[in-house]
Amino acid sequence: GAVVSQHPSRVICKSGTSVKIECRSLDFQATTMFWYRQFPKQSLMLMATSNEGSKATYEQGVEKDKFLINHASLTLSTLTVTSAHPEDSSFYICSARMGQGIETQYFGPGTRLLVL
Amino acid sequence: AQTVTQSQPEMSVQEAETVTLSCTYDTSESNYYLFWYKQPPSRQMILVIRQEAYKQQNATENRFSVNFQKAAKSFSLKISDSQLGDTAMYFCAFMNPQYNNNDMRFGAGTRLTVKP
Repeated sequence: GAVVSQHPSRVICKSGTSVKIECRSLDFQATTMFWYRQFPKQSLMLMATSNEGSKATYEQGVEKDKFLINHASLTLSTLTVTSAHPEDSSFYICSARMGQGIETQYFGPGTRLLVL
Repeated sequence: AQTVTQSQPEMSVQEAETVTLSCTYDTSESNYYLFWYKQPPSRQMILVIRQEAYKQQNATENRFSVNFQKAAKSFSLKISDSQLGDTAMYFCAFMNPQYNNNDMRFGAGTRLTVKP
């Protein structure tokens, strides 16, 4: 149980376009989902936290107008990278938590974004 | 702010032998959770083991065990009978349930190579 999927797994886009990444909890309801960014050979950096039905909470230094997060249902959160530029190229990982008091996060397989 | 330090960027071990990965953290809280995650070449984050700070007994999961020293703020991972499939990046993570959203903070990671 506790499977999280991400789509797409890999995306290549032109500079200036927007890219949407979906994160789904397949067999549980996720009240909270997290979005991370991972550069090559580095650790995971938390970008934002999204709770179903409310606005996302962004970490310091993360542009909320650049990285739009929507947590429309208990099983789906989306991250949209708007007007992508080459420096946005990275590996994006989402995770989901079942509910308050449930500490373990379950991670998606990640999405590799390459902006040309 | 909580910080997580993994002082060993890379380690290697012979197959079937035992290896210990180090992790220290800094917090003023008394109630928190600690995790070890594994990230193999597929990039999928996999939970290896978790420890509740209020539990004195060290967590164990098959070949994986931890040495949790609360006073020293140390949380090392021991892998016994190492297998080739254990080759991966290992991340230590800290989570404070007192904070909003219970977000997780990761260390820089340790790249473990199991040699045949």
